[in-house]
Amino acid sequence: EPEVTQTPSHQVTQMGQEVILRCVPISNHLYFYWYRQILGQKVEFLVSFYNNEISEKSEIFDDQFSVERPDGSNFTLKIRSTKLEDSAMYFCASSEGWGELFFGEGSRLTVL
Amino acid sequence: GENVEQHPSTLSVQEGDSAVIKCTYSDSASNYFPWYKQELGKGPQLIIDIRSNVGEKKDQRIAVTLNKTAKHFSLHITETQPEDSAVYFCAVSNAGGTSYGKLTFGQGTILTVHP
Repeated sequence: EPEVTQTPSHQVTQMGQEVILRCVPISNHLYFYWYRQILGQKVEFLVSFYNNEISEKSEIFDDQFSVERPDGSNFTLKIRSTKLEDSAMYFCASSEGWGELFFGEGSRLTVL
Repeated sequence: GENVEQHPSTLSVQEGDSAVIKCTYSDSASNYFPWYKQELGKGPQLIIDIRSNVGEKKDQRIAVTLNKTAKHFSLHITETQPEDSAVYFCAVSNAGGTSYGKLTFGQGTILTVHP
């Protein structure tokens, strides 16, 4: 069964450092998303991406965040200067369109 | 923006019993209502979804009911098994144009099924 894969599974970084989280969406999917889940809280939408551009973003997704699809398979989330409150599980998801969102297993980010 | 409330936050049942989780939402334009199961260390996995033109949907032991007038929907799991133990999230979306994938999640329900 096709799946969304994410790397790394866990990253520890110092406050102020840049972090890049990587995702390989399901190959025939056209829509890509990042969500995050702070420990013990609900899953929150960050950004959606279609046709090589951001289609929607939340108020959480400020100038410190960016997304990119550098090639035909990867979809990345970059945090330029991490803050303590960026510590969370980050989930990548993809969808074919009008259908199910498939989530990856997540990348846990710990900012010290 | 959309606000989704989910209850209960924890639910403990005996194997074989039924479990019901309820969600309410605020935006009457919302039209897509999925339920996700999240096991420890894994991402959310869709278990059932319903669209606003349908009042009820069933898939084996799992069913979802939707009341658009009252703006609430519920997940029903019958004949629960220990492997049903997980965190369950409801979500809501106004599916149209670019907003399809913007899901607003509920707070989650920790379901524990005791053998």
